[in-house]
Amino acid sequence: DTEVTQTPKHLVMGMTNKKSLKCEQHMGHRAMYWYKQKAKKPPELMFVYSYEKLSINESVPSRFSPECPNSSLLNLHLHALQPEDSALYLCASSQISRGTDTQYFGPGTRLTVL
Amino acid sequence: GIQVEQSPPDLILQEGANSTLRCNFSDSVNNLQWFHQNPWGQLINLFYIPSGTKQNGRLSATTVATERYSLLYISSSQTTDSGVYFCAGAYNQGGKLIFGQGTELSVKP
Repeated sequence: DTEVTQTPKHLVMGMTNKKSLKCEQHMGHRAMYWYKQKAKKPPELMFVYSYEKLSINESVPSRFSPECPNSSLLNLHLHALQPEDSALYLCASSQISRGTDTQYFGPGTRLTVL
Repeated sequence: GIQVEQSPPDLILQEGANSTLRCNFSDSVNNLQWFHQNPWGQLINLFYIPSGTKQNGRLSATTVATERYSLLYISSSQTTDSGVYFCAGAYNQGGKLIFGQGTELSVKP
């Protein structure tokens, strides 16, 4: 099973709302990732968690707050977002975060900020 | 960091035709993956291929690591092959994948 699941599929929120994106994998992977993808652009890395610890933060604004409660779950908490944050948010996982492992992606959450 | 360039940016094919997509990377990588992104946004793994050649049905890929390029071959294309094809590379920097700009493929019936 190489499945990464993400909920919700779609999310519409106002600039004052607080919402969370959820990602789950049951492959025993110890590295999990958040990517952001704007229309007609490639995915860009936001965060990497390795063994439930944040190992890479690509200078992401603090209105995005990641959390890894356990090795299977990854959350992205959203607060005071801007309309330019509207994008497809992709979660991925890999065996470890050494760089030599296949990353498997979830279906994404399409976020619209009004 | 590494840079990844893909060509061509767009490709239109008639169903049944063959095609070759290219990916150049600026530095040595120890991870090279090809993905197909379908119209719903799902990134589907095609190949993990830091070197050598692999085949999976009508698709095959070759990476020549010493010359820093990878090729994806699609034979007998079908309309369901339409979408964006990305290659992505990483070196030992905590798993950060760098994506190329993608090749948008449209297969016409």
